[in-house]
Amino acid sequence: GESVGLHLPTLSVQEGDNSIINCAYSNSASDYFIWYKQESGKGPQFIIDIRSNMDKRQGQRVTVLLNKTVKHLSLQIAATQPGDSAVYFCAEAKSGYSTLTFGKGTMLLVSP
Amino acid sequence: DTEVTQTPKHLVMGMTNKKSLKCEQHMGHRAMYWYKQKAKKPPELMFVYSYEKLSINESVPSRFSPECPNSSLLNLHLHALQPEDSALYLCASSPGLAGYTDTQYFGPGTRLTVL
Repeated sequence: GESVGLHLPTLSVQEGDNSIINCAYSNSASDYFIWYKQESGKGPQFIIDIRSNMDKRQGQRVTVLLNKTVKHLSLQIAATQPGDSAVYFCAEAKSGYSTLTFGKGTMLLVSP
Repeated sequence: DTEVTQTPKHLVMGMTNKKSLKCEQHMGHRAMYWYKQKAKKPPELMFVYSYEKLSINESVPSRFSPECPNSSLLNLHLHALQPEDSALYLCASSPGLAGYTDTQYFGPGTRLTVL
């Protein structure tokens, strides 16, 4: 289940389950969105991105959904594995600007 | 190859020391970034270099001094830091195409501890 802790929301799932991590973004003018995975002690790793002219984009075991009406982004991970355990950050940006605005992050814990 | 390298991996320094963090990429990217990240928090942007020129300074204290010697290298010079500056310092790069927002690729970071 999902819980909101003092600092970082946590999603706990069983191995093999599908995981859904949600993100509410702030700027209605944002038109580029990225999901990053960050394992403990490592830098953020690019997972998948999507531009605002799309509603859905699929990668290997991952799908990103974008709902511009409610400014919501989600990352779906199929058949979650223990190696997927990490903190996941969404980030938004506006075309022509080089800066990303990161969300607060969600910790995904996968139990064998 | 989407690799950004950073050295050192760990750094412990006193408040009177001067040290430098180094970042390198060989992807031909023209934009490079420094971020600071505290535990359980998202990365916070510090500086952006575009075509080797400083384009963004997010009101960072002067005890942090960035330098971009060439299009592949980015340094962060540290002097007279405070214990609250202890954090993970991340470097990132992106293609930097004009008018186009593109993916930033991050290095592994330098874990800095200020005593």
